[in-house]
Amino acid sequence: GENVEQHPSTLSVQEGDSAVIKCTYSDSASNYFPWYKQELGKRPQLIIDIRSNVGEKKDQRIAVTLNKTAKHFSLHITETQPEDSAVYFCAASWTSGNTGKLIFGQGTTLQVKP
Amino acid sequence: NAGVTQTPKFRVLKTGQSMTLLCAQDMNHEYMYWYRQDPGMGLRLIHYSVGEGTTAKGEVPDGYNVSRLKKQNFLLGLESAAPSQTSVYFCASTHSVYQETQYFGPGTRLLVL
Repeated sequence: GENVEQHPSTLSVQEGDSAVIKCTYSDSASNYFPWYKQELGKRPQLIIDIRSNVGEKKDQRIAVTLNKTAKHFSLHITETQPEDSAVYFCAASWTSGNTGKLIFGQGTTLQVKP
Repeated sequence: NAGVTQTPKFRVLKTGQSMTLLCAQDMNHEYMYWYRQDPGMGLRLIHYSVGEGTTAKGEVPDGYNVSRLKKQNFLLGLESAAPSQTSVYFCASTHSVYQETQYFGPGTRLLVL
């Protein structure tokens, strides 16, 4: 079945450094790849997404890259700040299934040290 | 506009008891989902619905049932709770598969003793 692997499970960086989280997916039909951020005790919220016809997307300090051939995508956070500390989830979906189902990775706990 | 709401926020059950979790959305979304979140396992899809009156199984449907009698509500039932169902349950909704941002509710924390 569909599977999304996410690495690393935990990541600790100094404030101002960059953070990179990587995900691989198994279903080549996947064509939509969102990233969600979940602060402690809160609900997951979408921070950025990318579709399969785009290789890279940027929104201020966050960017996502997609390599369809290798079936992996990554989240890049530059100039990290303490408020970036949270759990980040990648996910994959495919619109042809007409269900909107998302398959999530296991999550990465990012800690930004001041 | 409340978005996605969930009732209750927290519940403690004894093994074998039953309960229903309610998810409500006021965004007129067609698609609704129930996930469970366990440490180190991400969000796993339990059941989902692509419209009023429809339901389908997700990755981990065993021990749960769902109903979508009204477009705005999606109910998750546990007929006979087990300790393995201790988890945080999130409901989510989206307008369509082509605008796939899923909006999550605040979650329900369930403890089964």
